[in-house]
Amino acid sequence: QQQVKQSPQSLIVQKGGISIINCAYENTAFDYFPWYQQFPGKGPALLIAIRPDVSEKKEGRFTISFNKSAKQFSLHIMDSQPGDSATYFCAATEETSGSRLTFGEGTQLTVNP
Amino acid sequence: DTAVSQTPKYLVTQMGNDKSIKCEQNLGHDTMYWYKQDSKKFLKIMFSYNNKELIINETVPNRFSPKSPDKAHLNLHINSLELGDSAVYFCASSLWGGGNTGELFFGEGSRLTVL
Repeated sequence: QQQVKQSPQSLIVQKGGISIINCAYENTAFDYFPWYQQFPGKGPALLIAIRPDVSEKKEGRFTISFNKSAKQFSLHIMDSQPGDSATYFCAATEETSGSRLTFGEGTQLTVNP
Repeated sequence: DTAVSQTPKYLVTQMGNDKSIKCEQNLGHDTMYWYKQDSKKFLKIMFSYNNKELIINETVPNRFSPKSPDKAHLNLHINSLELGDSAVYFCASSLWGGGNTGELFFGEGSRLTVL
């Protein structure tokens, strides 16, 4: 049962371009939506997160857009850099579940120089 | 000063063998997890312990047995290894509820290859 669906599976962007990754969820009880970044040979690490009481959160070049009615959220990476090349995972959880995250399938981002 | 450390980083073994992966965290967290990442990079939770008590046990074969001797350690023992067990296993830790940020801190993973 895949509760968080992520697309695209892979994405190639030119340096300076905008990378957009989309996620959709089913469980309306989810109330915390983090994005994780994973470099090859490393564990995932928290990049940015949002709660459903706001529609957008920005940290540097990374922005999450959240649409509660559509049950969708997306990650935008502005001015993408080769160092952003990694696998990105969206996730969702109910905070009362004690950080039991449900992950999307992951998006492998490649930023060409 | 590694926050979540797991050993070994690589494991190559034959089908039918038994192996263990150890995990330790020095973040003072009270909850620890095992996640499995398959060849398609999909991350799936296997187990979670809160203060040494098992709280999440997903549909995992009973050949997999976690053990938490204290809240800073969570080990994973796998009996009778099968080819399909080949994956990267990640240990993670977090604070439990009560205003936690939902952030998981992952180790670097243990790549298990079953031949």
